[in-house]
Amino acid sequence: GEDVEQSLFLSVREGDSSVINCTYTDSSSTYLYWYKQEPGAGLQLLTYIFSNMDMKQDQRLTVLLNKKDKHLSLRIADTQTGDSAIYFCAERAGNTGKLIFGQGTTLQVKP
Amino acid sequence: GAVVSQHPSWVICKSGTSVKIECRSLDFQATTMFWYRQFPKQSLMLMATSNEGSKATYEQGVEKDKFLINHASLTLSTLTVTSAHPEDSSFYICSARDRVSNQPQHFGDGTRLSIL
Repeated sequence: GEDVEQSLFLSVREGDSSVINCTYTDSSSTYLYWYKQEPGAGLQLLTYIFSNMDMKQDQRLTVLLNKKDKHLSLRIADTQTGDSAIYFCAERAGNTGKLIFGQGTTLQVKP
Repeated sequence: GAVVSQHPSWVICKSGTSVKIECRSLDFQATTMFWYRQFPKQSLMLMATSNEGSKATYEQGVEKDKFLINHASLTLSTLTVTSAHPEDSSFYICSARDRVSNQPQHFGDGTRLSIL
């Protein structure tokens, strides 16, 4: 079945880079997404990557996709305290088009 | 960018009350909207897929008569929690997919429902 796994917690110092990792199982996934959720709020789309791409960069965000290993990562350069939030990885299931979410990674940024 | 508005953001009501939550796409049309439920410190659980002009598709284990979904226009879907009980207290989030680009899903800010 479809499954998405993430590590639950990451702590970094302000100014460092953060790398959040995600693995998925559905080889027919078409798109993979990264969403950010701040306390009490909905999900904010950060970036997404089409399954035939290896990398996508958008300002401080870099997404790397290893389709062979079904591994997705999000790198945040120069991490700021405002980046503290929960980050969800999601895949768009190939057969249904539904989003399958990981458990979310809590990013803690220390000053 | 694409904006999804969800209303109300927070509601507190007595047990037995029915509560309606609205989800609107403000600057795009959405033939498909999704309703999720999120428990504290957990991921999102898809409840149902709402299709404009047709019946919603519910996920396994979600009671159709409990969670009524209506998607009457290309910009509005509603979720009604009927005869709500304390166990229905949760954070409900909707999302919408642009009918032109067909992706990605844009999310509302969520509705925190507290049943006393």
